[in-house]
Amino acid sequence: GEDVEQSLFLSVREGDSSVINCTYTDSSSTYLYWYKQEPGAGLQLLTYIFSNMDMKQDQRLTVLLNKKDKHLSLRIADTQTGDSAIYFCAERVGGKLIFGQGTELSVKP
Amino acid sequence: EAGVAQSPRYKIIEKRQSVAFWCNPISGHATLYWYQQILGQGPKLLIQFQNNGVVDDSQLPKDRFSAERLKGVDSTLKIQPAKLEDSAVYLCASSLDRQGADSPLHFGNGTRLTVT
Repeated sequence: GEDVEQSLFLSVREGDSSVINCTYTDSSSTYLYWYKQEPGAGLQLLTYIFSNMDMKQDQRLTVLLNKKDKHLSLRIADTQTGDSAIYFCAERVGGKLIFGQGTELSVKP
Repeated sequence: EAGVAQSPRYKIIEKRQSVAFWCNPISGHATLYWYQQILGQGPKLLIQFQNNGVVDDSQLPKDRFSAERLKGVDSTLKIQPAKLEDSAVYLCASSLDRQGADSPLHFGNGTRLTVT
């Protein structure tokens, strides 16, 4: 079946690293995505990883994929108050995107 | 490049009324999606178009929801009649998806619908 799970909340201090975790169930996923949603806005694509990769780094963002355990994580280095938002993990299955319920990241100064 | 455009941004209607949302995807994007995002949840796919044909509408409540994408560009999503549980943000997205290659989805800012 298709299911994506995320923890609901994460709170960190400014300057620390944040790690947001996600698990998915469909092993036929081709790509896995991370989107950011700020209040009242749509979803902003942050980064994505092809399912045959283990890691992808893009400036302050590092994505790790453990395909055996169907576990995806997003690490944000040097977290800033502007990173406060809801982060959605999504898997691409058969052309459509299946989203998790989102992790609300709160960054305290 | 210009992003995905949606209108209106907000809509308040009474139950049993009808409402329509409009979406203009990124130029050249073949695939268009409508998602429903209920408060506190992740977006859920309602319907997916490839050019002007429907690829997946399995989660669309067809007794009250309809969507079309005439000429393979703009799209409208309609609800008639609306129910209280339709209160949500309706997100439109598009992706390039040429020659079968998966492309990321780019989202508009959404239309927030409140049904009273």
